[in-house]
Amino acid sequence: DAKTTQPNSMESNEEEPVHLPCNHSTISGTDYIHWYRQLPSQGPEYVIHGLTSNVNNRMASLAIAEDRKSSTLILHRATLRDAAVYYCILRDRGSGTYKYIFGTGTRLKVLA
Amino acid sequence: GAVVSQHPSWVICKSGTSVKIECRSLDFQATTMFWYRQFPKQSLMLMATSNEGSKATYEQGVEKDKFLINHASLTLSTLTVTSAHPEDSSFYICSARSGYQSGELFFGEGSRLTVL
Repeated sequence: DAKTTQPNSMESNEEEPVHLPCNHSTISGTDYIHWYRQLPSQGPEYVIHGLTSNVNNRMASLAIAEDRKSSTLILHRATLRDAAVYYCILRDRGSGTYKYIFGTGTRLKVLA
Repeated sequence: GAVVSQHPSWVICKSGTSVKIECRSLDFQATTMFWYRQFPKQSLMLMATSNEGSKATYEQGVEKDKFLINHASLTLSTLTVTSAHPEDSSFYICSARSGYQSGELFFGEGSRLTVL
């Protein structure tokens, strides 16, 4: 299974940037890197995805290492509403089907 | 963006009864849906992959006779927890894969099952 490794928790002050790292050394050549976040008692919410190049959208930026074995989700200005568990996910291409396996995620705490 | 809706959002049932949870893709067709289970303070655990018009593919350790999955149309998948017991109490979440090449997932709001 394609696996990801993330720190269990991180803290950030409000209005400051946050860099959430993810290691995925077993990534396959055509696997996209997806990031989702989950607020308490809700389903995960899509944040951003990328393949090789860095990506930006209104929510965040995604920086992908040149060897694609790691990536970093960047929240430019953390707000209290960004407190959530952030998951970095790869598609698992085992058995010819695409499965999305969640790791433990990073619980982000934003301090006012 | 694409929307996936689950129903019910929460359900309480007696031990031994069966509970059905529906997952609908509201504005797109989903040939593949995924069912996850999440216990408190834990990550999402993939239970099965639901394929429209064919049998679901279950993950190792998930009892297919206990968690019945039906994906009869391109917009609806159902998960039935049969003969539920207190240990089946959990947060069940479905997701549908978009048709985009990158394959983003869209998740439902989740269904919290409490078995008394």
